[in-house]
Amino acid sequence: QKEVEQDPGPLSVPEGAIVSLNCTYSNSAFQYFMWYRQYSRKGPELLMYTYSSGNKEDGRFTAQVDKSSKYISLFIRDSQPSDSATYLCAMSAGNTGNQFYFGTGTSLTVIP
Amino acid sequence: NAGVTQTPKFQVLKTGQSMTLQCAQDMNHEYMSWYRQDPGMGLRLIHYSVGAGITDQGEVPNGYNVSRSTTEDFPLRLLSAAPSQTSVYFCASSRYRLSSYEQYFGPGTRLTVT
Repeated sequence: QKEVEQDPGPLSVPEGAIVSLNCTYSNSAFQYFMWYRQYSRKGPELLMYTYSSGNKEDGRFTAQVDKSSKYISLFIRDSQPSDSATYLCAMSAGNTGNQFYFGTGTSLTVIP
Repeated sequence: NAGVTQTPKFQVLKTGQSMTLQCAQDMNHEYMSWYRQDPGMGLRLIHYSVGAGITDQGEVPNGYNVSRSTTEDFPLRLLSAAPSQTSVYFCASSRYRLSSYEQYFGPGTRLTVT
């Protein structure tokens, strides 16, 4: 069983829609939860991170962590064509060495 | 700041050849790492370093060597290339090893082994 599971999509939505992206995980030691955005043929860039459970909001983006269900989500409000990219979730236990475990990524296309 | 740079951008190797993928960062980051990205597999950690002179293995280290003689550079060596090493390789760095959630990634090296 993979440490992190993520639906690869692809996901296609009209401009202005609310997008929900999700990951599940199996390791209860994970404490740091991150979302990266990766444009085609580019390196991933950090979008948001959350420590432990709860919500975090940054502009049109909201990250949620539910540790009891081992489930994290990223919501994108008022989606724009520029949001079209692959979104990767990543997790870490935060111990020495700090290995990160990534989901496979969800491909999102926002149609104008 | 250039951030994290990687060379080359593209490379084709024959089975059995060796090569070094270069990675450099100019942000004085302690923590550096190498990942490979394959379709359906996500990013997988190959090797990482928490400072000059200190390296350790990640999830998929076989067939790769690393060294870290300076804070800035973290080269990845393929000892004897195999077709299974065809992938996109990303180098990443972050400031503090225990809070390294904020990783900065390079643009990647696309490697094909024939």
